[in-house]
Amino acid sequence: QKEVEQDPGPLSVPEGAIVSLNCTYSNSAFQYFMWYRQYSRKGPELLMYTYSSGNKEDGRFTAQVDKSSKYISLFIRDSQPSDSATYLCAIKKTNAGKSTFGDGTTLTVKP
Amino acid sequence: GAGVSQSPRYKVAKRGQDVALRCDPISGHVSLFWYQQALGQGPEFLTYFQNEAQLDKSGLPSDRFFAERPEGSVSTLKIQRTQQEDSAVYLCASIEHETSYEQYFGPGTRLTVT
Repeated sequence: QKEVEQDPGPLSVPEGAIVSLNCTYSNSAFQYFMWYRQYSRKGPELLMYTYSSGNKEDGRFTAQVDKSSKYISLFIRDSQPSDSATYLCAIKKTNAGKSTFGDGTTLTVKP
Repeated sequence: GAGVSQSPRYKVAKRGQDVALRCDPISGHVSLFWYQQALGQGPEFLTYFQNEAQLDKSGLPSDRFFAERPEGSVSTLKIQRTQQEDSAVYLCASIEHETSYEQYFGPGTRLTVT
């Protein structure tokens, strides 16, 4: 069993929709939680980084962490065609340590 | 400023050949990571350097994989006697200092073993 499981998708939504992306993890030693966006043939780029349980908002993006149920989510409001990409959740045990990634969810936002 | 660069961007190797993949991190970044991303999967950790010291190589899949960062900047990932299962994108990421959290990824090298 993988240490982090991500809803596989793919996901296709109309422009303006709210998107929900989800991951679960199995080991409570993981303390740091991230969401990356990866465009085709590019490296991942960091979207959101959180440490504690709760919500963190940045523009149209909200990251949610529930450590008690080991569940992390990313919400995208007012989705745009430019949001079409693969979204990867990632977890870490230490702040500057290696990341353990989910397998990604591919999102397509249709105009 | 310049981001993380990797070369070559694409590499085709015949089974059994040796390959060398290069990563140029952001100037001054202390830590460097290598990840392997198979098609349709997330990146998997291979190895980690802090300056020139290789502090974690637990993710290297076999002794055919070797990484170095002799002067604490550029790093090379070498794969000997390539196999078809080595086909993947190899990603490099750097971190500014040992307490930073943000990994800056390069575009990756896509290795295809035929």
